[in-house]
Amino acid sequence: SQTIHQWPATLVQPVGSPLSLECTVEGTSNPNLYWYRQAAGRGLQLLFYSVGIGQISSEVPQNLSASRPQDRQFILSSKKLLLSDSGFYLCAWSVGRTGNTIYFGEGSWLTVV
Amino acid sequence: DAKTTQPPSMDCAEGRAANLPCNHSTISGNEYVYWYRQIHSQGPQYIIHGLKNNETNEMASLIITEDRKSSTLILPHATLRDTAVYYCSTGYYGNKLVFGAGTILRVKS
Repeated sequence: SQTIHQWPATLVQPVGSPLSLECTVEGTSNPNLYWYRQAAGRGLQLLFYSVGIGQISSEVPQNLSASRPQDRQFILSSKKLLLSDSGFYLCAWSVGRTGNTIYFGEGSWLTVV
Repeated sequence: DAKTTQPPSMDCAEGRAANLPCNHSTISGNEYVYWYRQIHSQGPQYIIHGLKNNETNEMASLIITEDRKSSTLILPHATLRDTAVYYCSTGYYGNKLVFGAGTILRVKS
């Protein structure tokens, strides 16, 4: 069965520091991978979307970047964090095209202080 | 911007059916309707999805209107553990789903 791992689960970082959140998917090949962000009390905002290694689509302009160095690995990064980057970050995956479901990881809480 | 509209909150008595509406009036012909739920501090959980026909699984039923501009998620016998935020979304082939603020469902004993 497929599983998704996301880490770290919680992170407290000072303003201006770098960020690296990692996500890996097991049990499947060539997944579509996603990074979402959820601010407190808000809905889910799609940040990045990837259909393959090195293929990243950015959905919103922001202070973050994403990379996909391996088929089942997705990394969310920032060189200098802002207070507004605080939130709940979710990695997700899906496979194929027609009617396939997106499955989410357990999320990472980022607090920028 | 989210393409769906949901009521911000709803209450339901334990053991009764919970009917959660969603408006997606701009849905395109090949877009699916998806429902997820999120319990606090956890990743969203997939519930059900559909294209045109009504769908049912072990968790819920999905009723899509004939014009596909709205849908209703039905939890047939709500329990306290169904208290969560429920998100309705639309998208092609399950990719790049956009989620709004969702509906907070409170199941009360």
